[in-house]
Amino acid sequence: EVQLVESGGGLVQPGGSLRLSCAASGFTFSSYSMNWVRQAPGKGLEWVSYISSSSSTIYYADSVKGRFTISRDNAKNSLYLQMNSLRDEDTAVYYCARVGIAVAAADAFDIWGQGTMVTVSS
Amino acid sequence: EIVLTQSPDFQSVTPKEKVTITCRASQSIGSSLHWYQQKPDQSPKLLIKYASQSISGVPSRFSGSGSGTDFTLTINSLEAEDAAAYYCHQSSSLPQTFGQGTKVEIK
Repeated sequence: EVQLVESGGGLVQPGGSLRLSCAASGFTFSSYSMNWVRQAPGKGLEWVSYISSSSSTIYYADSVKGRFTISRDNAKNSLYLQMNSLRDEDTAVYYCARVGIAVAAADAFDIWGQGTMVTVSS
Repeated sequence: EIVLTQSPDFQSVTPKEKVTITCRASQSIGSSLHWYQQKPDQSPKLLIKYASQSISGVPSRFSGSGSGTDFTLTINSLEAEDAAAYYCHQSSSLPQTFGQGTKVEIK
């Protein structure tokens, strides 16, 4: 079964750090670009970051640029999001999502994880 | 940044009724427009990609159309299980963006 499972969320104080992980299974992880998408409580979806299959291309939303770092370990079938200098407005469910076509840079997000909640509060 | 504007924000619909949700892009995105369904406390699910391409396993009552700046998601003969939020998403240019969502409620 093709699956993405996020972990690492939790409660953190403003200015703190957190590292999210996304474990992939059931497909050749190293062939697919990946994204992080977040959803604040009761709000819509916001794209956060993109990483290509080989990690050669990385993009960030302006709202997280300079604070968040996306990375992946193809040997471990894992995607990561290192979040530093966290703010109240970063409070959200964070989803990892697969780009739907292998080796494609952009496509629909065909597989989503169940999400992990990040709460930034003092 | 390409802004996607969905309408309506909310729709209350009777079962078996037809539902139409529109998504307008602030500039042309060709056919790089995708639709997702998100039920309460679930992650989004891909319904339609590239404006009109169907997805395996998605019921045939869901269809999409449009190109350029104007797109439509149609649900023919709405069923109770279709109660959800629906989002459009463009992958034409960075940053990738989503519409604000349309909540469909069953009367």
